[in-house]
Amino acid sequence: DVKVTQSSRYLVKRTGEKVFLECVQDMDHENMFWYRQDPGLGLRLIYFSYDVKMKEKGDIPEGYSVSREKKERFSLILESASTNQTSMYLCASSMFFTPIKGNTIYFGEGSWLTVV
Amino acid sequence: AQKITQTQPGMFVQEKEAVTLDCTYDTSDPSYGLFWYKQPSSGEMIFLIYQGSYDQQNATEGRYSLNFQKARKSANLVISASQLGDSAMYFCAMSDGGATNKLIFGTGTLLAVQP
Repeated sequence: DVKVTQSSRYLVKRTGEKVFLECVQDMDHENMFWYRQDPGLGLRLIYFSYDVKMKEKGDIPEGYSVSREKKERFSLILESASTNQTSMYLCASSMFFTPIKGNTIYFGEGSWLTVV
Repeated sequence: AQKITQTQPGMFVQEKEAVTLDCTYDTSDPSYGLFWYKQPSSGEMIFLIYQGSYDQQNATEGRYSLNFQKARKSANLVISASQLGDSAMYFCAMSDGGATNKLIFGTGTLLAVQP
């Protein structure tokens, strides 16, 4: 089975702290994603990466950065955490998509971050 | 730009009845995929069903079926014989195609199954 593992399930951090959310996948997927989930807004894409050291901004990249030094690991970094970044963060990984292949996208269990 | 719209923030259904969750999408790309995910209160995203833009038949997976109407750009999820364990948030999503396989999500529908 494909496994996407997020390092922390629940975190509480102080305003201004630097926060690292780690994600590891074990299926040699090229693509990895970080989403943020808020009530009434669904999941919004923060950043994604289609190869090692490659990254692209999603819909809401402000206040975040990412790192992908190895294919299996994709880190989300909050340089200076703020209370409006309190949210649930979901990591996902996938292989190349074609409509014929069907579902190739796998999610981690989520990380609940509270910034106080 | 691609967009997914779920107009039902919340729904109730009686146990053992069928329920339809609405989803419309917008894209100019001829090649895309449509997905439904279930998210229980624990937070994990559970893949339910997939429909490719070139698929001629509507997708089915057990009690789940996807009513794909391409001309209307709708991809409604039908759950037959609802169970208490179906109570969860349901998200419709679309892949924008291409190598990055980026998913765009709707805002979700919270389904409550009543005994």
